[in-house]
Amino acid sequence: EIVLTQSPGTLSLSPGERTTLSCRASQSVSSSYLAWYQQKPGQAPRLLIYGASSRATGIPDRFSGSGSGTDFTLTISRLEPEDFAVYYCQQYGSSLLFGGGTRVEIK
Amino acid sequence: EVQLVQSGAEVKKPGESLRISCKGSGYRFTNYWISWVRQMPGKGLEWMATIDPSDPNDSHTKYSPSLQGHVTISVDRSISTAYLHWSSLKASDTAMYYCARWREWTHTNEYYFDYWGQGTLVTVSS
Repeated sequence: EIVLTQSPGTLSLSPGERTTLSCRASQSVSSSYLAWYQQKPGQAPRLLIYGASSRATGIPDRFSGSGSGTDFTLTISRLEPEDFAVYYCQQYGSSLLFGGGTRVEIK
Repeated sequence: EVQLVQSGAEVKKPGESLRISCKGSGYRFTNYWISWVRQMPGKGLEWMATIDPSDPNDSHTKYSPSLQGHVTISVDRSISTAYLHWSSLKASDTAMYYCARWREWTHTNEYYFDYWGQGTLVTVSS
């Protein structure tokens, strides 16, 4: 069974900073099946990236995704106040699986 | 406008049964699989189960191995509604439950949850 490990668990950053979040799979994953979601407190998750690198409709271009095989990253080029949230990667294979999440908090 | 509207919060006792719902609108309900995702207090997202609403026998279902046998996913196509059912709740079922629409377009390599319900909070306590 594939395991998705997100790191770090928490990032403490200031608005305007650049950050990279990691999602590592225990086995190789097709890039087509890797997505990223953002979740703010009290809200449902929102799709950011699908196919490892394609931005969902309406997602600002400061969000970008990359990676292949077992290593995937989500980059936020310049943090805006509304970007402080929890981010999850998700993989689709024989079943659906989420990573444990990375919390991006205001420093 | 695509919407998934879930039923309201529930407070139950251990051993009781429960069914929560998720009504889809703004799209053809049978064209997209529906999943349920659990979020325990202060924790991350956990996929629970998925169903193909186009299957008249509800046989096209998938469950997380850790949850299979404890919950049942179903749909009522006539009212575009998906359900998650427990026959005997445990305190550990206390969580927020989200339904989500699964988009799977193989010709464009799109595989993701594109719409989510607002969540149903289930509290199980004696």
